[in-house]
Amino acid sequence: QLQLRESGPGLVKPSQTLSLTCNVFNGSICSSSHYWAWIRQPPGKGPEWIGNIYCSGSTYYNPSLIGRVTISLDTPKNHFSLNLRSVTVADTAVFYCARLPVADDYLDVWGQGALVTVSS
Amino acid sequence: QSVLTQPPSVSGAPGQRVTISCTGSSSNIGAGYDVHWYQHLPGAAPKLIIYGNINRPSGVPDRFSGSKSGTSASLVITGLQAEDEADYYCQSYDTSLGGVGFGGGTKLTV
Repeated sequence: QLQLRESGPGLVKPSQTLSLTCNVFNGSICSSSHYWAWIRQPPGKGPEWIGNIYCSGSTYYNPSLIGRVTISLDTPKNHFSLNLRSVTVADTAVFYCARLPVADDYLDVWGQGALVTVSS
Repeated sequence: QSVLTQPPSVSGAPGQRVTISCTGSSSNIGAGYDVHWYQHLPGAAPKLIIYGNINRPSGVPDRFSGSKSGTSASLVITGLQAEDEADYYCQSYDTSLGGVGFGGGTKLTV
């Protein structure tokens, strides 16, 4: 059964770059049938879509984050990554990685989530 | 601000039925895009429980059902059990985002 696991620093200083990695287990990141996504959920709020990436490297980002966000993938390491630049306290959230079928728009597999706090 | 609107909380006694609503707009549900539902238990990964408005993934009890009409959708849980106590989120594609949009979540208390 496919599993996803987020990893990265739990604390980032304001103005710095938040970097997280999502490792994919029991499946290939280069599936023609799926996109890979990052979602975040600030404390007390609903989830927010950050962006998707496909095996080809094609990316799709939330317009509110364009200019600050980059999602990339590493096929040999079977993981994909999130970089969010110039963070502020408003970027504090639980970050999830997830999988979407190409032919649909639901998220059928999620990671456990990683809390990232932005604080000096 | 979430693109879909849900009530912050609902509650019901064991064995009862509850309905969680999800209201969208012409840029998501009203444009014909499907609605999906997730159950989120504290400390766990969110779990897909309804996809394509009405479909249940393998292993999800038939106590959970979904529907969609116009710019809204609903999740119905019958025969409430203590283990159903969780946060529930609706989700659809949103054309203004160019990606998935979520509701703010509904906390179910049993």
